[in-house]
This record gives sequence, C-alpha cells and structure tokens, in this order.
Amino acid sequence: NAGVTQTPKFRVLKTGQSMTLLCAQDMNHEYMYWYRQDPGMGLRLIHYSVGEGTTAKGEVPDGYNVSRLKKQNFLLGLESAAPSQTSVYFCASSYDGVDTQYFGPGTRLTVL
Amino acid sequence: GNSVTQMEGPVTLSEEAFLTINCTYTATGYPSLFWYVQYPGEGLQLLLKATKADDKGSNKGFEATYRKETTSFHLEKGSVQVSDSAVYFCALGTGGFKTIFGAGTRLFVKA
Repeated sequence: NAGVTQTPKFRVLKTGQSMTLLCAQDMNHEYMYWYRQDPGMGLRLIHYSVGEGTTAKGEVPDGYNVSRLKKQNFLLGLESAAPSQTSVYFCASSYDGVDTQYFGPGTRLTVL
Repeated sequence: GNSVTQMEGPVTLSEEAFLTINCTYTATGYPSLFWYVQYPGEGLQLLLKATKADDKGSNKGFEATYRKETTSFHLEKGSVQVSDSAVYFCALGTGGFKTIFGAGTRLFVKA
C-alpha cells in the first residue's frame, strides 16, 4: 500500500519551461489537493478536486493548471515556469473534505 | 470566515521538557480538529485528531483536547525527545471541500 506518491522528487527548470507534476493515490479517495510550501508561508492551496473529472481553484491558482482524468491521479502543470514558482509542492488526498489528509513526500522545484 | 491561529516558533526545548503549542480556531458549525507533523524532508502526516467537543486526541505521547468554550486545541507532551524535532501544524476541517492549516510551529529539542 503505497499511499500517496509524487513524481518527480526534484526538478530544476529554466524560466519559461513547462513541466507536469504527477500525484497518485491508491486509497480510492475522492478528494485530492495540490499545495505549495514556502519558508514562513505555511501551506497554500493551489488547486483541488472533489472527484474524477472535477477541479477547482484554491488560494494561489495563477500560473498552474490541473487535471483529474482518473480518480487515482491528479496532475499539476506549469505552462511557463517563473522563479516565483520555486517551492516545495505537496499533493494530498482524503476520503472527504473533513477527514484526515494523506500527504505525498513532496517535489522540490527550482526555477532559474 | 474559518481560520486557525497557532503560536509562532521556533520553540526550543531541552530533552524531557514539557511542550505546549497553542492553537485557537474560528469556525462555524462543528469542525474536526487536527494536528499534523512534518519531519525534515518529508510530507505532513497526521499526529492526532478530535471530531467533537471535549474529545481528546492522543498519539506517541502527544495529546490535545477539543475545547469548544475556548475554541482551542492546544498540543501537549509531557517529556519531549530529540526525535520530536519537527514542524507542527494545527488544522481545521469544516465540512467544506478544504482543510484550513495553521502557519506551523517549528520545534527544536536539544539533547
């Protein structure tokens, strides 16, 4: 039982490049989330999904897109990376909106 | 609106000292309350939770009691260890689609 996995673990991009972060969960959870964590800023919600085929904006959605084509996967895309997107990105899933969230190990992204 | 406020860190303690990390919340209805812990280089993981007033969550020697009258969910441990060094997040689940996280409190425990 792997829980929540994230790919890749580390990535360095140049300004303007694009990339996709993959999150996968094997707990059959309906809800999935993408957060970013920056020093002194805590966790900020980027986008979330309440089920397959649905997505919604969180607190800081600008510059990111997401897709939830399969229930177990939640993809986060950066179309044109900017240095301000240098951060650690965490994916999480939960059974419902009030239950425990299960987090992946994170992706450390640096944009030069 | 819904919000969580927790004490700013860092908190530095010697091994075997008593730990309190304060957390207060603002919410409508009857939220669930959580403490998550993040060890260096890892994602957050649930430490304990409470789903109704007066419930006490406990795990690994940590405890927190859901106090509706004071809207608080303070984290306590009687004797901390070096291995407890981490960042602790208080969080609120309100029945909407999201969990509200506090800003996190970093704990350093010295041997």
